[in-house]
Amino acid sequence: KNEVEQSPQNLTAQEGEFITINCSYSVGISALHWLQQHPGGGIVSLFMLSSGKKKHGRLIATINIQEKHSSLHITASHPRDSAVYICAVITGTASKLTFGTGTRLQVTL
Amino acid sequence: DAGVTQSPTHLIKTRGQHVTLRCSPISGHKSVSWYQQVLGQGPQFIFQYYEKEERGRGNFPDRFSARQFPNYSSELNVNALLLGDSALYLCASSLYFGRTRNTIYFGEGSWLTVV
Repeated sequence: KNEVEQSPQNLTAQEGEFITINCSYSVGISALHWLQQHPGGGIVSLFMLSSGKKKHGRLIATINIQEKHSSLHITASHPRDSAVYICAVITGTASKLTFGTGTRLQVTL
Repeated sequence: DAGVTQSPTHLIKTRGQHVTLRCSPISGHKSVSWYQQVLGQGPQFIFQYYEKEERGRGNFPDRFSARQFPNYSSELNVNALLLGDSALYLCASSLYFGRTRNTIYFGEGSWLTVV
């Protein structure tokens, strides 16, 4: 079993829909990252969370440390949101990331 | 300011050959990490360097090695390439090591194909 699990693996939505991607982890963490990866391969960090909730534009990320769970929400989704969204956690004192397998999001018109 | 830069962006190698991948972190960043991402999977941690010292190593064979230079750039070396080494190799840099509030920036990656 992976230390970081994401669901769903694949998600298709119509433009304007509200989207939720979930991440569960089984280890103690110091922080959690939500990342966006486009087909070219480059990864962009969207959020870094250690508690509570963060919002940036149409993106909202929440984390519940007790339940070892985080969610990424996209409001009013748009085709340009189509990408792979990856949850990654930092454990211990090292700064290495342990990644989930990603959620492939396709937003259609 | 330039972001994290990696080179080459794409390369094709033959089984048994050796490859060197290069990474320049964001100016001022002293921590560099390497990740391997096989198609369809999430990235896997290979190495982390901070202040030119190895600070972490993932579960990869000894064919994989890395180093960090005085200017904080880094090289990842893979010897005796196998078909299974075909992957996107990502470099990430950050300002700090071992701090919770430590934003990580990724390069565009180096696509390695082993034939």
